[in-house]
Amino acid sequence: SQQGEEDPQALSIQEGENATMNCSYKTSINNLQWYRQNSGRGLVHLILIRSNEREKHSGRLRVTLDTSKKSSSLLITASRAADTASYFCATGPGGGSYIPTFGRGTSLIVHP
Amino acid sequence: DGGITQSPKYLFRKEGQNVTLSCEQNLNHDAMYWYRQDPGQGLRLIYYSQIVNDFQKGDIAEGYSVSREKKESFPLTVTSAQKNPTAFYLCASIQGNNGYTFGSGTRLTVV
Repeated sequence: SQQGEEDPQALSIQEGENATMNCSYKTSINNLQWYRQNSGRGLVHLILIRSNEREKHSGRLRVTLDTSKKSSSLLITASRAADTASYFCATGPGGGSYIPTFGRGTSLIVHP
Repeated sequence: DGGITQSPKYLFRKEGQNVTLSCEQNLNHDAMYWYRQDPGQGLRLIYYSQIVNDFQKGDIAEGYSVSREKKESFPLTVTSAQKNPTAFYLCASIQGNNGYTFGSGTRLTVV
């Protein structure tokens, strides 16, 4: 199965700062997705970037994808305390059945 | 509104008991998945089903069983053979090559 691994494992910042987290994967992909999980809740889909895209924006979120380095980054600008959550990436394979796997996530704490 | 409903939210299991976690979706999605999440860990795939009446084992299927008799329903049974079932269980569905939709999870505790 595919594997996305997030880095860093934990990130602590002040409100208003930007938060950047990274995801690396091992094989070719069709797309890469980022999810958010608040404590004790399900995952919420944030953004999907396809393999032929290099950058995508959604509100305060900016995602980049570098297929040559097999990596992606998620930037949250002007962070808020409400952004405190775990963030996961998942990769969609290049072909065949769609069984993405999730890494351990990046735990983001935004201090007010 | 379309979505995935997991029930119950909290479940307590005695030693040696089988319990069933419910997952229902009204999104008309073909594929459904069960994941297990332990504290501070990522999601591990238990079972998945890409079509009605068919399902496949994931990475940690031992001690679990599923059925997919209807498109909208994918219940997970945690059997007594699962020696460490205390965890957070997440159900998800997907259509095509898009993002998952997740349920809100069931927290299972062995008492």
